[in-house]
Amino acid sequence: GENVEQHPSTLSVQEGDSAVIKCTYSDSASNYFPWYKQELGKRPQLIIDIRSNVGEKKDQRIAVTLNKTAKHFSLHITETQPEDSAVYFCAAGPNTGTASKLTFGTGTRLQVTL
Amino acid sequence: NAGVMQNPRHLVRRRGQEARLRCSPMKGHSHVYWYRQLPEEGLKFMVYLQKENIIDESGMPKERFSAEFPKEGPSILRIQQVVRGDSAAYFCASSGSGGEQFFGPGTRLTVL
Repeated sequence: GENVEQHPSTLSVQEGDSAVIKCTYSDSASNYFPWYKQELGKRPQLIIDIRSNVGEKKDQRIAVTLNKTAKHFSLHITETQPEDSAVYFCAAGPNTGTASKLTFGTGTRLQVTL
Repeated sequence: NAGVMQNPRHLVRRRGQEARLRCSPMKGHSHVYWYRQLPEEGLKFMVYLQKENIIDESGMPKERFSAEFPKEGPSILRIQQVVRGDSAAYFCASSGSGGEQFFGPGTRLTVL
């Protein structure tokens, strides 16, 4: 089955700096890669996703890149703000445009300090 | 448009009792997924259902755990004879055919 590894497990940045979180996956059949943000005691929220036919996607301060050859994808947050502090999870799914289960990474706890 | 609903939000059971967790998907969604999250850990897939069908239960323990998504009403995750190791947050997600999964607020199960 699919295995997703995520690094780093914790990340502390100063407000205004950039943050990068990296994930690797094992199953070449995976084609869908969403990112979730989870605040303490809350539900995971989908913040951005990318599909295998795209190498990069951007939404305001958040961007995701995908390298299918190397089987890794990354989340980039620019101009970080205190409200970006949360746990971020990457995930991988086997199908593009269809419903299927997701395999999650172990999470990155991001702390944005003033 | 109401999001994914789960109830109860908190559930306390004694060892040996049964736990029933309910999930109502987002309007228009017919795919439901259950995930378990232990403290300080990631989300582990348990089961994926469509109306009246279990599509993938590869992540669900074969004993004591069952899930259903009837034609009418919410999806139910049932844990029989709970043990302390079942204590966790159980999240339900739903999706349409496009595959983007949206999560409910979770049910936090505590087994005494």
